Amino acid sequence: AQSVTQLDSQVPVFEEAPVELRCNYSSSVSVYLFWYVQYPNQGLQLLLKYLSGSTLVKGINGFEAEFNKSQTSFHLRKPSVHISDTAEYFCAVSVDNRGGKLIFGQGTELSVKP
Amino acid sequence: DAGVIQSPRHEVTEMGQEVTLRCKPISGHDYLFWYRQTMMRGLELLIYFNNNVPIDDSGMPEDRFSAKMPNASFSTLKIQPSEPRDSAVYFCASSFQTGGKTEAFFGQGTRLTVV
Repeated sequence: AQSVTQLDSQVPVFEEAPVELRCNYSSSVSVYLFWYVQYPNQGLQLLLKYLSGSTLVKGINGFEAEFNKSQTSFHLRKPSVHISDTAEYFCAVSVDNRGGKLIFGQGTELSVKP
Repeated sequence: DAGVIQSPRHEVTEMGQEVTLRCKPISGHDYLFWYRQTMMRGLELLIYFNNNVPIDDSGMPEDRFSAKMPNASFSTLKIQPSEPRDSAVYFCASSFQTGGKTEAFFGQGTRLTVV
């Protein structure tokens, strides 16, 4: 069975500082990996995805993530955060490319302070 | 496109009542997913459809839950009878599989409170 672990439930950071949100997954088969962002009282919006190819994936809003198969990780990074990045971030895995049949991590609440 | 549209946005109902949540997927999408989000369990997949046919309902918690997709532009999730532990945010998502371009688009969600 597949599972996703987000190692930090809350990450406070100051504006313009770099941030890394950690995600590890477990699966016995090849996976597809996603990061979603959820702003308060909103649905989920896709930040980026890894399906195949280059292990460094760039997404929207200046975020990027690196797929590391040996460490079964897919950490999300941003070199300089803004107040507007305050939100909850979800890592998700899929074992097929339907894109919507996802197993989510528990989420990481990113709080950017001025 | 207006995106995935869910209604109502908020629903408050009394225990024992029937609740129906509605979803209009993005036109042309052939997959539709229903998720539930709670503090305790996070985001869970309840059921998904492909071309209006239910493919996997193993995430539906109990027989009180049922979902239908009578056509490509409409789906419902019904809870009958509702219980306080059903209180959660319910999300609908849709996707279109072609050329490896896969992405699920989520609706704004329905916040259900059962009192």
